Amino acid sequence: KNEVEQSPQNLTAQEGEFITINCSYSVGISALHWLQQHPGGGIVSLFMLSSGKKKHGRLIATINIQEKHSSLHITASHPRDSAVYICAVRLTGNQFYFGTGTSLTVIP
Amino acid sequence: DGGITQSPKYLFRKEGQNVTLSCEQNLNHDAMYWYRQDPGQGLRLIYYSQIVNDFQKGDIAEGYSVSREKKESFPLTVTSAQKNPTAFYLCASSIASLNEQFFGPGTRLTVL
Repeated sequence: KNEVEQSPQNLTAQEGEFITINCSYSVGISALHWLQQHPGGGIVSLFMLSSGKKKHGRLIATINIQEKHSSLHITASHPRDSAVYICAVRLTGNQFYFGTGTSLTVIP
Repeated sequence: DGGITQSPKYLFRKEGQNVTLSCEQNLNHDAMYWYRQDPGQGLRLIYYSQIVNDFQKGDIAEGYSVSREKKESFPLTVTSAQKNPTAFYLCASSIASLNEQFFGPGTRLTVL
């Protein structure tokens, strides 16, 4: 059983396109974390949010607690955005549960 | 520069050998974590520590051991009891337990 589901699993876009990655979860959470994993394996924290919306540069993350859903948007996508995007949820207790990731490829 | 370092980047081990993966942080974070990543699966928690000299098992602790003698360091030992140790191992830290996590570059362990 996976508490976190991401869609799509794989995504290919043309440079400049608007991109949406979705994350759904099945239980109540206290926070949600969006992460970016580069081809070399390193992981970078993008956002942590528990309500509403956050924006950083071309990245926007939203969360709807009632619908148990979060989205990560990338505006004006660029080849350097190519990476795996991972959603993780914080349940009660002391750990996060991670989705399997969305692999994004942006073509010039 | 503040951050988390892991060493080595690549590690090869013969079956039956124990091996220790290093994780060091200079972010002054209290909490540290070890995760395992396998193809097609989400990160899974091996062990975590909320404070020096204290640590708890995660979902897949069998065959692993850790220590937290210093705030900066959280080494992971993969023992011979771990049945399938070949994987990518990631260390992370956060200011306090369950806050935003910051990750190291990872260690790729291959058992020959």
